[in-house]
Amino acid sequence: EAGVAQSPRYKIIEKRQSVAFWCNPISGHATLYWYQQILGQGPKLLIQFQNNGVVDDSQLPKDRFSAERLKGVDSTLKIQPAKLEDSAVYLCASRDRSLPGYEQYFGPGTRLTVT
Amino acid sequence: SQQGEEDPQALSIQEGENATMNCSYKTSINNLQWYRQNSGRGLVHLILIRSNEREKHSGRLRVTLDTSKKSSSLLITASRAADTASYFCATVVSGSARQLTFGSGTQLTVLP
Repeated sequence: EAGVAQSPRYKIIEKRQSVAFWCNPISGHATLYWYQQILGQGPKLLIQFQNNGVVDDSQLPKDRFSAERLKGVDSTLKIQPAKLEDSAVYLCASRDRSLPGYEQYFGPGTRLTVT
Repeated sequence: SQQGEEDPQALSIQEGENATMNCSYKTSINNLQWYRQNSGRGLVHLILIRSNEREKHSGRLRVTLDTSKKSSSLLITASRAADTASYFCATVVSGSARQLTFGSGTQLTVLP
């Protein structure tokens, strides 16, 4: 079974530029999450999708961050404009809603450096 | 905000020794999970313990949960160099939309 795919793996941009990350979850997983992980900290949830609908985006800085999952499969997370404090690893995770366990499957992440 | 806090923040042991990491959390939970994160890799689910369970085993892993103290511990027995990683506890809060809230992690180094 293929895992969660993310691209790019690394991205370096200057502040005020825009950037987009892509995620392809495990096939059949209806629930998709985006997390931000700042160096030395645990991941923090940004947004949760169920199919193509948003379940929770309460921690997404909506003035600069946006995310979509138009067809209920792939998802993109965008930052515009980026700030220095956005430097972090952005993790995508998915979960099979039909299984009783609540464990999530994570992609390798995209490491963003904002200079 | 972080729901769980791990202790210690960093742990260094010799290969073959046991490693114990602790996690404390603040609110009532549905379950608690432990994840491992190797350098350059994503998080990998290790084990899940439900709020009505007190202990669970998986291979060299042993997890305990004390809901009265709002704490959990992860024991890795007979550690190997390959166990070197960051370990995170994550809670699913009761009544939440199946969301994980992660702690700050313990960095484990196993020396050969």
